[in-house]
Amino acid sequence: SAVISQKPSRDICQRGTSLTIQCQVDSQVTMMFWYRQQPGQSLTLIATANQGSEATYESGFVIDKFPISRPNLTFSTLTVSNMSPEDSSIYLCSAKDRVNTEAFFGQGTRLTVV
Amino acid sequence: AQSVTQPDIHITVSEGASLELRCNYSYGATPYLFWYVQSPGQGLQLLLKYFSGDTLVQGIKGFEAEFKRSQSSFNLRKPSVHWSDAAEYFCAVGAGTNFGNEKLTFGTGTRLTIIP
Repeated sequence: SAVISQKPSRDICQRGTSLTIQCQVDSQVTMMFWYRQQPGQSLTLIATANQGSEATYESGFVIDKFPISRPNLTFSTLTVSNMSPEDSSIYLCSAKDRVNTEAFFGQGTRLTVV
Repeated sequence: AQSVTQPDIHITVSEGASLELRCNYSYGATPYLFWYVQSPGQGLQLLLKYFSGDTLVQGIKGFEAEFKRSQSSFNLRKPSVHWSDAAEYFCAVGAGTNFGNEKLTFGTGTRLTIIP
C-alpha cells in the first residue's frame, strides 16, 4: 500500500494570503486527487492532478483559486489562493494506481483562515 | 452522476453490541464500493471494498459489508463493537471509464459513538 505524506499538517493563515500544501507518495502512482472536507461535512473532490498537464477540476472549483501542480508520479501540490474564512477546511491528498484498486489518503492539512 | 446516501448522521452503540451502518448508492453501472473510517484528527483508512464477485466482503478490524444490487445498498456490519471503533465512517462509490482512474464520491458520513 502507498504511504502518503502531507505538509503542513495544519496552519493558521491570514485572509488574502495563499498556502501551498505538499503531497508526497512513497511509490509511483497513476492518479492523484485533492479533496476538501469542510467542518462537519463529507469529502468533496476538488480536482484530479495530472502528471505533466493541467489538473482536471470538478464543478465549483477553478484553477485560479486552487492551482495544482504534479511534476512527477510521486508528488503534487495544491495552493489555496487569496484565502477567506470560508476556505477553512481539511484538505486531503489521495492517490491510487492500477495495481491496487483502492485509494490511499494522506493525513490531511487542517487549514484555518482568520 | 453517482451519489451516496448515508441516512444515519450519528449512531450510539453500547460496547459489545452489534453494529450496522447503512449506505445506499446511485450509479448506472456496477459500482466500486468502499467503506473508510476517519478517527479524530486522522486521515481516511480503508476498511473494505467491493468490486465484483462475492457480495459479502470482509475487511479489517472485524468489519464486513454486503453488496445488495436489488437494494442499491452496501451496509457495513460488525458483530461486536469495541470502544476504539468510535470514529466517523464514510461510504464511497467509485466510477470511471478506465479501471484504476475512478474518482470517489463520498456519503455525508456516520459518526459512531460507543458507550460503556
